[in-house]
Amino acid sequence: GAVVSQHPSWVICKSGTSVKIECRSLDFQATTMFWYRQFPKQSLMLMATSNEGSKATYEQGVEKDKFLINHASLTLSTLTVTSAHPEDSSFYICSARHWTGEGYGYTFGSGTRLTVV
Amino acid sequence: AQSVTQLGSHVSVSEGALVLLRCNYSSSVPPYLFWYVQYPNQGLQLLLKYTTGATLVKGINGFEAEFKKSETSFHLTKPSAHMSDAAEYFCAVSEGGGTSYGKLTFGQGTILTVHP
Repeated sequence: GAVVSQHPSWVICKSGTSVKIECRSLDFQATTMFWYRQFPKQSLMLMATSNEGSKATYEQGVEKDKFLINHASLTLSTLTVTSAHPEDSSFYICSARHWTGEGYGYTFGSGTRLTVV
Repeated sequence: AQSVTQLGSHVSVSEGALVLLRCNYSSSVPPYLFWYVQYPNQGLQLLLKYTTGATLVKGINGFEAEFKKSETSFHLTKPSAHMSDAAEYFCAVSEGGGTSYGKLTFGQGTILTVHP
């Protein structure tokens, strides 16, 4: 089945530094990748949609200069949190969309717990 | 526009009892509907999905859900709960067209507790 590998699983960084999160589709080509943020005991909130080879589309209220998304290949998408601050601490999850023959399927990465100190 | 409402943020059942997690959706076009399970500090695992065809969908781990268009519902059930079912469950909708094409919108989540 479709597998998405997300790294790192957790990261602690200092305020003002940048953190890169990677998501790789291991056995399929992910033309579209979604990036979500999840606060404790809350649902997933879509941050942005990225299509391979083009600029990401950000949801309203998400700072595109702070959350840089790159989707340069069909198997790799990255999210970089720039100049991180404590309020950026959260659980970040990627999801790759793929065609299953019966409609779209969405495979999720295992998530990244970011703590900014 | 699409939205999902999960009734009940917490559901508690006894081991062996029926599990019923409620989900209602709103969609301007025929929806694709999904149920996912999330364990602590992990990503989401697909339980089942409805795209077209049979309205009763069977998923993994004994779960099933029925798409009822007239009620705009997609409730998740399992006849007999296991301790290992304790987790958070998310209902999601995706539209096959329109401005929300391909995006998943999630409900608020329901935490299922199973006690002995």
